[in-house]
Amino acid sequence: DAGVIQSPRHEVTEMGQEVTLRCKPISGHDYLFWYRQTMMRGLELLIYFNNNVPIDDSGMPEDRFSAKMPNASFSTLKIQPSEPRDSAVYFCASKRTGDTEAFFGQGTRLTVV
Amino acid sequence: LAKTTQPISMDSYEGQEVNITCSHNNIATNDYITWYQQFPSQGPRFIIQGYKTKVTNEVASLFIPADRKSSTLSLPRVSLSDTAVYYCLEEAAGGTSYGKLTFGQGTILTVHP
Repeated sequence: DAGVIQSPRHEVTEMGQEVTLRCKPISGHDYLFWYRQTMMRGLELLIYFNNNVPIDDSGMPEDRFSAKMPNASFSTLKIQPSEPRDSAVYFCASKRTGDTEAFFGQGTRLTVV
Repeated sequence: LAKTTQPISMDSYEGQEVNITCSHNNIATNDYITWYQQFPSQGPRFIIQGYKTKVTNEVASLFIPADRKSSTLSLPRVSLSDTAVYYCLEEAAGGTSYGKLTFGQGTILTVHP
């Protein structure tokens, strides 16, 4: 398997624009996680899904953020409208029930100017 | 409120053994203790997991005392490539929090020549 695949790797956008981050989990994994990492706040769990259903979205900063998982092989994290303080590295991870480890993607570095 | 507490940073030299300790003052009875490693510009990577006593794999050892209020990750004979951030986590074995992976601040380990 190619691992967790995130796209794009880098995104630069202007304030107010819509941004969509994409994630393809490892095949057969039923858990999917979205994280945001900054120097100030560390690695924050935004939301996670089990079997395509959101289980806990308490980490989503505000209504500008939304996440979907339309099927087992794809998830999106959308920010609309984007703001400079959303600049961060966003990671997606997946895990299979009963396994000990989660696998992370390479991340998307988002810069909002 | 962070569930775990660990030192912000540690320094070591090549060839030394490094022990990073994490406090789990409010760990639940059924929680596992898991450690992840993160290199710059990469997502975290699973290192080891345990419940009680000692677990060893090809990368590290994990020591958990009987009261489970702490855990110690031991890295034998570190090299420059072990310079990374190390996170300890508590993972629920079941219940409504099963699957949730919450990262704390982590310990920045710097290995010097």
